[in-house]
Amino acid sequence: DGGITQSPKYLFRKEGQNVTLSCEQNLNHDAMYWYRQDPGQGLRLIYYSQIVNDFQKGDIAEGYSVSREKKESFPLTVTSAQKNPTAFYLCASSINRINGYTFGSGTRLTVV
Amino acid sequence: GQQLNQSPQSMFIQEGEDVSMNCTSSSIFNTWLWYKQDPGEGPVLLIALYKAGELTSNGRLTAQFGITRKDSFLNISASIPSDVGIYFCAGQYTSGSRLTFGEGTQLTVNP
Repeated sequence: DGGITQSPKYLFRKEGQNVTLSCEQNLNHDAMYWYRQDPGQGLRLIYYSQIVNDFQKGDIAEGYSVSREKKESFPLTVTSAQKNPTAFYLCASSINRINGYTFGSGTRLTVV
Repeated sequence: GQQLNQSPQSMFIQEGEDVSMNCTSSSIFNTWLWYKQDPGEGPVLLIALYKAGELTSNGRLTAQFGITRKDSFLNISASIPSDVGIYFCAGQYTSGSRLTFGEGTQLTVNP
């Protein structure tokens, strides 16, 4: 079955360490997105990529970095520069001729 | 970035009650989407609306695309405990363009 996979589901890191969240899709979707969700809050866009080897900053890109070397993969690195990294991170993908996004099941990052 | 105005922010209801939530925007959209997010999971698409005035049902869920193209509502009839979660509206101007999300409505259903 096609889908979008985020791993791991739960991630713990010490303050000051960089951490990379994985997002892989086998839907042949062109575009991929990273969102951050804090408790009781909506979805805030971190980065998005509409094509391989190209990506754009979203609304809250500071302290994050991404790469898009393959169509299927869009990893997100949470760097030590991100002041408040503990959150629920969601990856999504979309294809131009179909409306809406398909979301992964999320990664909950806790920094202690 | 632009956000949709989604209300109410939260709802606490008894099992069996009907629920209504809505989204409004200052911009027009050509597609309205409604997602549900179960606790600890990613949002899942419930209903997609493509035409102004369109009314679409999916089981106990009914959603409408406002005539002005600037609003949409979602109704849930005869709520059950598994309806608990966060409901998001989203607007899309064209296929392939970025979605604009509402802030979400947190629904709690008491058995």
